Amino acid sequence: GESVGLHLPTLSVQEGDNSIINCAYSNSASDYFIWYKQESGKGPQFIIDIRSNMDKRQGQRVTVLLNKTVKHLSLQIAATQPGDSAVYFCAENIGGTGTASKLTFGTGTRLQVTL
Amino acid sequence: SQTIHQWPATLVQPVGSPLSLECTVEGTSNPNLYWYRQAAGRGLQLLFYSVGIGQISSEVPQNLSASRPQDRQFILSSKKLLLSDSGFYLCAWSAQPGQGRTGELFFGEGSRLTVL
Repeated sequence: GESVGLHLPTLSVQEGDNSIINCAYSNSASDYFIWYKQESGKGPQFIIDIRSNMDKRQGQRVTVLLNKTVKHLSLQIAATQPGDSAVYFCAENIGGTGTASKLTFGTGTRLQVTL
Repeated sequence: SQTIHQWPATLVQPVGSPLSLECTVEGTSNPNLYWYRQAAGRGLQLLFYSVGIGQISSEVPQNLSASRPQDRQFILSSKKLLLSDSGFYLCAWSAQPGQGRTGELFFGEGSRLTVL
């Protein structure tokens, strides 16, 4: 079936370095993608999103790249900080009945920032 | 601003007991509402969603049910809990098209359920 998955379950990065978290998706009909950050024991928080008519979007210290040819999504975090340590999920919108947003989530990548 | 609250935050229940998790949204009207479950170290699995009062869609067959008695209230229930119901349950809402960033889900802080 259709799925969203991540390449690396755990990523260890030194403070100040850039982080790259990757995600592969298989539903070519998906038109909206989101990256979420989840700290331990908390609900996921929105980081950045991108629509399928774009290939790059930048936020504050974060950039999302979308390669529809190979169905690949990545999240780049510049100058990684200890507060960035968390589990990161990519999610795709596979559409839904009516107006519901039925996101499919990947299994997550744990980012560990070392000092 | 919009806020979402869910409770209880932590719950330990014996097998066979009932369950009721409640979620409310403030600061918006007619939101789409969702219940997700997250097993330890895993991704999020959509359980139920609702596009309006009394309208519930189930994504996976299971021991759970959902209800939406009011516009901004979403309840997750079970009559008899199973061990496999243990997990981290997340309520979320999204705006109707044209009322915000379409597609984005806003999550609550989660309810950790342990069934013994």
